[in-house]
Amino acid sequence: DGGITQSPKYLFRKEGQNVTLSCEQNLNHDAMYWYRQDPGQGLRLIYYSQIVNDFQKGDIAEGYSVSREKKESFPLTVTSAQKNPTAFYLCASSWGDSGTEAFFGQGTRLTVV
Amino acid sequence: AQSVTQLDSHVSVSEGTPVLLRCNYSSSYSPSLFWYVQHPNKGLQLLLKYTSAATLVKGINGFEAEFKKSETSFHLTKPSAHMSDAAEYFCVVIFMDTGRRALTFGSGTRLQVQP
Repeated sequence: DGGITQSPKYLFRKEGQNVTLSCEQNLNHDAMYWYRQDPGQGLRLIYYSQIVNDFQKGDIAEGYSVSREKKESFPLTVTSAQKNPTAFYLCASSWGDSGTEAFFGQGTRLTVV
Repeated sequence: AQSVTQLDSHVSVSEGTPVLLRCNYSSSYSPSLFWYVQHPNKGLQLLLKYTSAATLVKGINGFEAEFKKSETSFHLTKPSAHMSDAAEYFCVVIFMDTGRRALTFGSGTRLQVQP
């Protein structure tokens, strides 16, 4: 089945620890994205990558880091510098051409205690 | 500044009655427009998309949306609500006059369907 896989579905971490969220796609899409979702705020763009070995900051990149070493993978690290990391994180991918829709994974719910 | 505004955070309808979810955007250029639906603790599913073809777009599950350039609107409608339509709906835009091709989301509208 083609799609986007995020793992794990639920993640718990202690405050001050870095944590990496996995996102893998087998759709052969060029572009990948990370969004954060908080209640009542829609989805906000953290980072995006239009091509392998290149990525750009989105609207709320502070406290996060990414890498894009392979076309199919776009892991997100939530660092200890992120002041309020508890949220629902969604990964997406698209062809990257003008106007094409994105396909989403099922999300990872991160809780920092 | 470019933005997407969903005018209602919550909409409640009775089963079998029409649904209207409103969306406006701000941009000088014709954007690409989408509606996505999200059920609790799930990812997002594409309902429909407008990409400069017909202004009335038909999507899945009986939903439609009409692009009105003069009003910069892209409202989502369905003639008759079903209980399974209860979910959160997002109006989403790709602003074509920027180099960034990422989706910009509205804040969402939670649809409740009463029996």
